[in-house]
Amino acid sequence: GAVVSQHPSRVICKSGTSVKIECRSLDFQATTMFWYRQFPKQSLMLMATSNEGSKATYEQGVEKDKFLINHASLTLSTLTVTSAHPEDSSFYICSARWDPHRTEAFFGQGTRLTVV
Amino acid sequence: AQTVTQSQPEMSVQEAETVTLSCTYDTSESDYYLFWYKQPPSRQMILVIRQEAYKQQNATENRFSVNFQKAAKSFSLKISDSQLGDAAMYFCAYRSARSGGSNYKLTFGKGTLLTVNP
Repeated sequence: GAVVSQHPSRVICKSGTSVKIECRSLDFQATTMFWYRQFPKQSLMLMATSNEGSKATYEQGVEKDKFLINHASLTLSTLTVTSAHPEDSSFYICSARWDPHRTEAFFGQGTRLTVV
Repeated sequence: AQTVTQSQPEMSVQEAETVTLSCTYDTSESDYYLFWYKQPPSRQMILVIRQEAYKQQNATENRFSVNFQKAAKSFSLKISDSQLGDAAMYFCAYRSARSGGSNYKLTFGKGTLLTVNP
């Protein structure tokens, strides 16, 4: 149980285009989902916290208009990188919290975004 | 704000030997959770072990155990009988025990890259 599926695993897009990344909790309802960004050989940096049915809470320094997060249902959150630029190239990971009995979060497989 | 520090960027261990990874954290909260996550080359984050701050007993999961020193704000991971499959990046993480939204977020250390030598 507690499987989080992230899609796509890899994506290459042209500079100036937008790309959407999906994060699905397959066998549980996730009231809260998180989006992280990880640069090579570095740690995970939280970008935003996503609550079902409400606006995401972004961490300081993260551009809300560039990284659009939607959590329209209890099993799906999406991250859209708008007008992507090469500096947006990174590894993006989502995680979901299984409320209320579990303390740990479960992670998707991650998405490697390359902007050319 | 909470911070998590892993002072060992890289560690190596011989197969079948024991290795300890260090983690310290800073918080003003009295109740929280601590985790060790493993990230192998596939980059899938895998939970290794967790510790509730209110529990004095150190958590253990098979070959993995922690040394939780609350007063010292220290949370080290011991891997016994190391196996080649243990090679990965290990992240220490903190989570508040408070309820609601962003309180559930994880704060990660910078990670320790563990190499297991055959």
